[in-house]
Amino acid sequence: QQQVKQSPQSLIVQKGGISIINCAYENTAFDYFPWYQQFPGKGPALLIAIRPDVSEKKEGRFTISFNKSAKQFSLHIMDSQPGDSATYFCAAMASSGANNLFFGTGTRLTVIP
Amino acid sequence: DTEVTQTPKHLVMGMTNKKSLKCEQHMGHRAMYWYKQKAKKPPELMFVYSYEKLSINESVPSRFSPECPNSSLLNLHLHALQPEDSALYLCASSPQPAIPNEQFFGPGTRLTVL
Repeated sequence: QQQVKQSPQSLIVQKGGISIINCAYENTAFDYFPWYQQFPGKGPALLIAIRPDVSEKKEGRFTISFNKSAKQFSLHIMDSQPGDSATYFCAAMASSGANNLFFGTGTRLTVIP
Repeated sequence: DTEVTQTPKHLVMGMTNKKSLKCEQHMGHRAMYWYKQKAKKPPELMFVYSYEKLSINESVPSRFSPECPNSSLLNLHLHALQPEDSALYLCASSPQPAIPNEQFFGPGTRLTVL
């Protein structure tokens, strides 16, 4: 059973546009929600993360929006650049979960010039 | 030093071979992980070590044998693998077990089983 659902599976955005990736979860014990960026042949790298005590977190062009009541969170990439083309994974973890990080299925983002 | 290193980068082995993957971090992290990632799929957790002790084994076949010789090193011993075990094997570490925080991933070892 997929603990974290992610959409869309793939996304094509024009340079300068906004990329939006959505995730949803069911387990209310989750209390840490990171986003990872992965380039081909590389390991995932943490992009930005949020905890449920805030509804939004922004770091540069990357923003996480978090809706605790809906059990949803999303990644917004403003002014998308070709260098942002990568696979993005949302994830979730519970403090009581022995560091088990549950990943979404991934979104392959392509930013075209 | 803020990285996780993995060796080798690529490994090709036959089904009767024995090989080992190595992972190293010098960030003082006390939790270390092995993940398996198939193409176009998310990483799947295999093992978690907390304070050098195995705390999670996600029902991984015994042909995969993890080892944590010290707080900086994590090995994955491979024996009698199957072609379907071909994948990217990722190592990760995090500062504290049982506290949700960033997991730092290594670049992975691309394993091909013939």
